[in-house]
Amino acid sequence: EVQLVESGGGLVEPGESLRLSCAASGFSFSSFGMNWVRQAPGKGLEWISYISISSSTINYADSVKGRFTISRDNANNSLFLQMDSLRAEDTALYYCARDYRHDGFDIWGQGTMVTVSS
Amino acid sequence: SSELTQDPAVSVALGQTVTITCQGNNLRRFFASWYQQKPGQAPVLVIYGKNQRPSGTPDRFSGSSSGDTASLTITGAQAEDEADYYCNSRDYTGNLYWVFGGGTKLTVL
Repeated sequence: EVQLVESGGGLVEPGESLRLSCAASGFSFSSFGMNWVRQAPGKGLEWISYISISSSTINYADSVKGRFTISRDNANNSLFLQMDSLRAEDTALYYCARDYRHDGFDIWGQGTMVTVSS
Repeated sequence: SSELTQDPAVSVALGQTVTITCQGNNLRRFFASWYQQKPGQAPVLVIYGKNQRPSGTPDRFSGSSSGDTASLTITGAQAEDEADYYCNSRDYTGNLYWVFGGGTKLTVL
């Protein structure tokens, strides 16, 4: 079964850090670009980062640029998001999603919740 | 940066046809993809590329595009189609950045 499973979310205070993980299974992880997408409570979807197959292309939304770092470990079928200097507005459900030929995000995980609050 | 605009809410009578639209300059260069999200669930891709449906998407869902507007049409809406729908497309520059529309809540009456 093709699957993405996120983990690592939790409650942190403003300014702290958190590292999210996304474990892929059921497909050739090293053959697909990957994304992180988040959704604040009651709000819409926001794309935040993309990483290419070999990590040669990495992009971020302006809202997280300079604070978040995306990475991947193809040997272990894993995607990561290092989140530093967290703010209250980063509170959201964070999804990892597989890029399908740059035409759409065809596989999504169930998300991991990040809450930034003092 | 690119923006995609969607109507916040649309309603349709059971069995009728409804079109959800998405407007943005980047749609002049790139196709939109469409996602269905039901409460408490992750988004699901329903349309991508030039009116392509992933396996599992009912054929009552179709996509089209004209100028700066992309459309998702549901022909013969069913009760289970009630959900939030989001469009998504690449940034106008062609670089690998993406943007989502604000979402449309579809109510099936």
